[in-house]
Amino acid sequence: EPEVTQTPSHQVTQMGQEVILRCVPISNHLYFYWYRQILGQKVEFLVSFYNNEISEKSEIFDDQFSVERPDGSNFTLKIRSTKLEDSAMYFCASDREDLLYNEQFFGPGTRLTVL
Amino acid sequence: AQSVSQHNHHVILSEAASLELGCNYSYGGTVNLFWYVQYPGQHLQLLLKYFSGDPLVKGIKGFEAEFIKSKFSFNLRKPSVQWSDTAEYFCAVKGGSARQLTFGSGTQLTVLP
Repeated sequence: EPEVTQTPSHQVTQMGQEVILRCVPISNHLYFYWYRQILGQKVEFLVSFYNNEISEKSEIFDDQFSVERPDGSNFTLKIRSTKLEDSAMYFCASDREDLLYNEQFFGPGTRLTVL
Repeated sequence: AQSVSQHNHHVILSEAASLELGCNYSYGGTVNLFWYVQYPGQHLQLLLKYFSGDPLVKGIKGFEAEFIKSKFSFNLRKPSVQWSDTAEYFCAVKGGSARQLTFGSGTQLTVLP
């Protein structure tokens, strides 16, 4: 069964460093998402991406964040200068274009720890 | 803006007990509703979803949920839980034309053998 994959599973970085989190969505999916979950808090939407551009973003997704689909398979989230409060689990998700069947498939997550 | 409340943070049950996890949402228009489960060390998996039609929705692994529009609720139920149901359960809503999901805070279910 096809699945969303994410790498790395755990990333440790120093405050102020740039990190890139990687995701490979399901191959015939066209919408891609990033969510995050700070420990003990809700899963929160960050951004959605369609047709090589951002379609929606939350207020969390500020100028420190960017997303890219650098090739036909990867979808990345970059945090330009990490802060302590960026420590969280980051989930990538994807779904088909058809809104009537909008089941999002999630990856296993990347745990980001900012020291 | 839409929001989701899950009232139980941690539920502990013995095997064969019945389960009901509460979920209430806040959104004035048409909603799609979901329950996801996250087993330890694994990714979020869809248990069941409601888009329209019969408000009683059956999902995988014997779970079901009932959409009660008047109560803005979508509670998850299972008549007899198993040890393997130990996981975190998330209720989520998608409102109107938005594609992104709004999640509740999750309920950790521990089933004792």
